[in-house]
Amino acid sequence: GQNIDQPTEMTATEGAIVQINCTYQTSGFNGLFWYQQHAGEAPTFLSYNVLDGLEEKGRFSSFLSRSKGYSYLLLKELQMKDSASYLCAVRPLSGGYNKLIFGAGTRLAVHP
Amino acid sequence: EAQVTQNPRYLITVTGKKLTVTCSQNMNHEYMSWYRQDPGLGLRQIYYSMNVEVTDKGDVPEGYKVSRKEKRNFPLILESPSPNQTSLYFCASGKGDNTGELFFGEGSRLTVL
Repeated sequence: GQNIDQPTEMTATEGAIVQINCTYQTSGFNGLFWYQQHAGEAPTFLSYNVLDGLEEKGRFSSFLSRSKGYSYLLLKELQMKDSASYLCAVRPLSGGYNKLIFGAGTRLAVHP
Repeated sequence: EAQVTQNPRYLITVTGKKLTVTCSQNMNHEYMSWYRQDPGLGLRQIYYSMNVEVTDKGDVPEGYKVSRKEKRNFPLILESPSPNQTSLYFCASGKGDNTGELFFGEGSRLTVL
């Protein structure tokens, strides 16, 4: 089975940098994904990592260490609109490319 | 505009009254899936479909049915809803490529009294 852990809540200041961690235990792994979900809205895709290392996409970066079962999402130059929940998800080996198992999410509050 | 459309967006019903939540996507995606989202539990997969006439159970399929007669539609059926099915439901579709990107509908908030 899969077990995904991420902090429930975080707060940060506008303009700062925040790192949201995700650890996972899995019987089969084929990629790690991050989604953003604003309150009352649908999740939207942010990034994915299949191999170890850092993937950068504008203000957002995602890191993966498969040997440690660990990932983080790094948000730079925080803006108020970044206040949202961030969902870590693991893709197992079976079920196809789109089957994802989600963690409970980290609610990030950005304050002035 | 590329989108996943769910209906109804909000529904209050009573125990045992059959209901269907429709989901339609206009992106010609092969993969479609239903999730429920509950506080503290995150998104949990109910059923998924990798193509027409192919459906599989997710992690929490009990009390739900689905069908995939056409590529664009993937309705979720609750034959006899119970209060523990009160939740926020999301339909999602995906291309089936290595990015694993899912496109979500806006969600359907269901309350079963």
